[in-house]
Amino acid sequence: DSGVTQTPKHLITATGQRVTLRCSPRSGDLSVYWYQQSLDQGLQFLIQYYNGEERAKGNILERFSAQQFPDLHSELNLSSLELGDSALYFCASSVGDTPRDIQYFGAGTRLSVL
Amino acid sequence: DAKTTQPNSMESNEEEPVHLPCNHSTISGTDYIHWYRQLPSQGPEYVIHGLTSNVNNRMASLAIAEDRKSSTLILHRATLRDAAVYYCILRPISGGYQKVTFGTGTKLQVIP
Repeated sequence: DSGVTQTPKHLITATGQRVTLRCSPRSGDLSVYWYQQSLDQGLQFLIQYYNGEERAKGNILERFSAQQFPDLHSELNLSSLELGDSALYFCASSVGDTPRDIQYFGAGTRLSVL
Repeated sequence: DAKTTQPNSMESNEEEPVHLPCNHSTISGTDYIHWYRQLPSQGPEYVIHGLTSNVNNRMASLAIAEDRKSSTLILHRATLRDAAVYYCILRPISGGYQKVTFGTGTKLQVIP
């Protein structure tokens, strides 16, 4: 158990809809990262938050947004969903924001857009 | 930006050592080299990381070439549980996490 909790585990929705994925980081971790992994593909970095503020932005679509709350949990909002958004979405957390920091990953949320 | 190259797949016999290579010929002097692995149906997990010197931990060893243009993750005795996709990742000191470089991963198959 990594200590990172993601909910829900599975999500099935229709095109055009909006969903929210939730991530609770390990206790004491200030950084949260979101990743997308399409079928049999590698990890695609989406966005990072550190202590409530956006710290780095990767290949995140404009239809997607995220935030980190004062209790450090984070949410990833996906709107106007398309078939191609079907993927595994992982959240990871780390203590800080240095290149030495180890990331701990959650089990992921599997999103299916029908 | 730096790039990493990994073989798509490798095979190993159980209880034998495994050497997983990563080529990063455009690495900058301040990029950290991280390795993560992803077991089937799980989130990635940390394996090891280093900057210039070779590193050992309970899971594996990381051998970094003197010129840092390549590195090798060494599993000393492969077990069936080591069957996973192994990712080589470069994390720069400056420029923010958006400068991170992910390898495409090597799928390791362990043969009993």
